[in-house]
Amino acid sequence: DIQMTQSPSSLSASVGDRVTITCRASESMKKYLNWYQQKPGKAPKLLIYAASRLHSGVPSRFSGSGSGTEFTLTINRLQPEDFATYYCQQSYSTPPWTFGQGTRVEI
Amino acid sequence: EVQLVESGGAVVQPGGSLRLSCAASGFTFDDHSMHWVRQAPGKGLECVALINWDGTDTYYADSVKGRFTISRDNSKNSLYLQMNTLTTEDTALYFCARDLNYYESSGYYGGFDYWGQGTLVTVSS
Repeated sequence: DIQMTQSPSSLSASVGDRVTITCRASESMKKYLNWYQQKPGKAPKLLIYAASRLHSGVPSRFSGSGSGTEFTLTINRLQPEDFATYYCQQSYSTPPWTFGQGTRVEI
Repeated sequence: EVQLVESGGAVVQPGGSLRLSCAASGFTFDDHSMHWVRQAPGKGLECVALINWDGTDTYYADSVKGRFTISRDNSKNSLYLQMNTLTTEDTALYFCARDLNYYESSGYYGGFDYWGQGTLVTVSS
């Protein structure tokens, strides 16, 4: 199984900051990496797919990059509604796929 | 508008069974593979099972293999998860999710582009 490791596990930031979250895979997986945002008590929402493609309706301040084993999610000009937990997820291996452990973005 | 609505969650004793349902609307159901993803209280996300568009291919997490069965009825736009021999480790919020179904020249990219609100399964004596 491909193991996904996110860093940091949590971070504190302020409105207007630029935030970067990293996801590392235990083996190379090309661009088969997605990012999700989850708020408490809600279902996750897809933000980025295929490492860098913005899902429909997602604000352009979210961006993704990387390939192989290292990927990043960047949030430019952090907004109050962006405080949430973020997960990466790989779809390179045979399903079911695996998620990272999550990164909590706090005020 | 894509909608996924789960139902069937309940409190059940260890060793018991439960069947979850997910009603889909707002898209062509049999154009997409479908998934069940769960989240234990205060924990991260775990992919539980996947079924392809016509139900001929299924995949399961090792933690549920042999106990859970994913199925679908395309005539009813519905997805199901039959859960048997439940343990306390199965306590979680269970989401159904639509497969991303994205293709590039380099291949197929899976993921979860729409999710239901979840249904809670509690296994407790």
